[in-house]
Amino acid sequence: NAGVMQNPRHLVRRRGQEARLRCSPMKGHSHVYWYRQLPEEGLKFMVYLQKENIIDESGMPKERFSAEFPKEGPSILRIQQVVRGDSAAYFCASSPRIPGQGFPEQYFGPGTRLTVT
Amino acid sequence: TQLLEQSPQFLSIQEGENLTVYCNSSSVFSSLQWYRQEPGEGPVLLVTVVTGGEVKKLKRLTFQFGDARKDSSLHITAAQPGDTGLYLCAGTRDDKIIFGKGTRLHILP
Repeated sequence: NAGVMQNPRHLVRRRGQEARLRCSPMKGHSHVYWYRQLPEEGLKFMVYLQKENIIDESGMPKERFSAEFPKEGPSILRIQQVVRGDSAAYFCASSPRIPGQGFPEQYFGPGTRLTVT
Repeated sequence: TQLLEQSPQFLSIQEGENLTVYCNSSSVFSSLQWYRQEPGEGPVLLVTVVTGGEVKKLKRLTFQFGDARKDSSLHITAAQPGDTGLYLCAGTRDDKIIFGKGTRLHILP
């Protein structure tokens, strides 16, 4: 079974450009989470999606950030007009079930390290 | 406000020593997970605890969930350099999963 796939692993963007981060969940998982991690920090929840639905985006900045999980294809985290403060590691996780039902263990991808120059 | 407090933030000990790290909250969680993250990689799930007072063992690692389901501990016996990493706890409450900031553990050979 392939694990959670994320690409690219490293992404360099200049200020003002767009960053698109992709995440393919584990086979059979229909729940995807995106997190941001700054150096020496824990994981900060951004958004929780199911196929074609945003369930919880309470951790997403109000501007420039968006996420989708289409019926076909990977989940995409999109950051428009990047700024230096967006530099971080972005992790995607997938789960076979929703929080509150059973054990919502999450399986993480290797992350995308975004550097804004 | 950090809902899950992990302590210590950093711990550096010699190979062969024992250690305990803690994950504390004033809130009740329906389940709690521990993850380990190595540099440049994503977190890897170690264990899930669900029942208050539950103890789970994974080789030299012992995980305990507090009776009130508000806190947890991870005890490592005879630490090895391979145990080096960031240990994260995550609690589930109200359909949300909340991560602590982690304990960064460094085992010296």
